[in-house]
Amino acid sequence: GAGVSQTPSNKVTEKGKYVELRCDPISGHTALYWYRQSLGQGPEFLIYFQGTGAADDSGLPNDRFFAVRPEGSVSTLKIQRTERGDSAVYLCASSVGLAGYNEQFFGPGTRLTVL
Amino acid sequence: DAKTTQPNSMESNEEEPVHLPCNHSTISGTDYIHWYRQLPSQGPEYVIHGLTSNVNNRMASLAIAEDRKSSTLILHRATLRDAAVYYCILRGGGFNNAGNMLTFGGGTRLMVKP
Repeated sequence: GAGVSQTPSNKVTEKGKYVELRCDPISGHTALYWYRQSLGQGPEFLIYFQGTGAADDSGLPNDRFFAVRPEGSVSTLKIQRTERGDSAVYLCASSVGLAGYNEQFFGPGTRLTVL
Repeated sequence: DAKTTQPNSMESNEEEPVHLPCNHSTISGTDYIHWYRQLPSQGPEYVIHGLTSNVNNRMASLAIAEDRKSSTLILHRATLRDAAVYYCILRGGGFNNAGNMLTFGGGTRLMVKP
């Protein structure tokens, strides 16, 4: 079946611009996660949703970052007034549930470059 | 979250077994041990997980120490496609907020030589 998809695969923007990154989870997965990965590092947690609500947004670096999942399926990560330090690969993952034994399925990521 | 410690890198020859170690001395009784791997330019991929008993699946085996303070991911016959960064991660066993996200460390970069 279809896996997690993310669009766009690459995004180049200028400092100060607004960007939206989209994630389509696996159908039926109620949990959706966003992570960010800088070059040479492991992914870092940003936010996760259970259904439509953000259950934990403690990983968002500041209030320029916001994410929504209005219908409990597709999610959009929104970054305002982008800065060069926001350049990274943004990864989305989904899971059938929140239990500690549930595996997460990752998308290929969106590579964001802020010039 | 309890932390894990892994070697930065390991080398293996193709078609030989690989044993990737992970120390997690502060593991709690309900923590699951998960392994993910990340191939170049791809998102992480689930490999295997366990709680107390050793586990086998089509990709790998997971050997868990009796005191659960360490574990070893075993690739029975390494191929060039297994070259990746392997992450050992602990996840809380509860159904609430705690432990639901994955906390990645630096992982072990596995290099496979032909």
